[in-house]
Amino acid sequence: DGGITQSPKYLFRKEGQNVTLSCEQNLNHDAMYWYRQDPGQGLRLIYYSQIVNDFQKGDIAEGYSVSREKKESFPLTVTSAQKNPTAFYLCASSIRTGYNQPQHFGDGTRLSIL
Amino acid sequence: QKEVEQNSGPLSVPEGAIASLNCTYSDRVSQSFFWYRQYSGKSPELIMSIYSNGDKEDGRFTAQLNKASQYVSLLIRDSQPSDSATYLCAVGITGKLIFGQGTTLQVKP
Repeated sequence: DGGITQSPKYLFRKEGQNVTLSCEQNLNHDAMYWYRQDPGQGLRLIYYSQIVNDFQKGDIAEGYSVSREKKESFPLTVTSAQKNPTAFYLCASSIRTGYNQPQHFGDGTRLSIL
Repeated sequence: QKEVEQNSGPLSVPEGAIASLNCTYSDRVSQSFFWYRQYSGKSPELIMSIYSNGDKEDGRFTAQLNKASQYVSLLIRDSQPSDSATYLCAVGITGKLIFGQGTTLQVKP
């Protein structure tokens, strides 16, 4: 089945540690996105990528980094510079970027601080 | 002013009633509008998209768009307890989607 796979489902970060969240899609979509959702809040865009080896900052990129070495994969690293990382992280993809393209989401990763 | 605004609710309706969810947006150049359903602890699921003024129906769901007044709404007919969730409005602006904070719907049996 085609879809977006995020792993792990739950992740715990120690003080000063970098952690990487995985996102893989087999939908052959060009565009991929990372969002953060805090309790009772909407989604805020962290980074997005339109094509391989290219990505742009979203609204809250500080303390995060990404790479897009393969079309299928868009991992997100939460660095130690992100002082409030506890949130629900959602990866999404769309056929291509553009204001009229719906995005489809993976199941998410819940990150907490130990 | 937030770019996309929704009443956080909760909106409570009895089973079988029509639930009406509203969303307003600030950017007049917005061209695409989406409704997502998010169950507690789960990821958002796309349920409707609308691009032109008027109504768009899909089963029990109807999306309504009024660009002049800058609002988009979602009607759920014959509401079921399984419709209880948070509904997120998303607006397409310059290649990105901007999400509202969501409206929580409770359908009571």
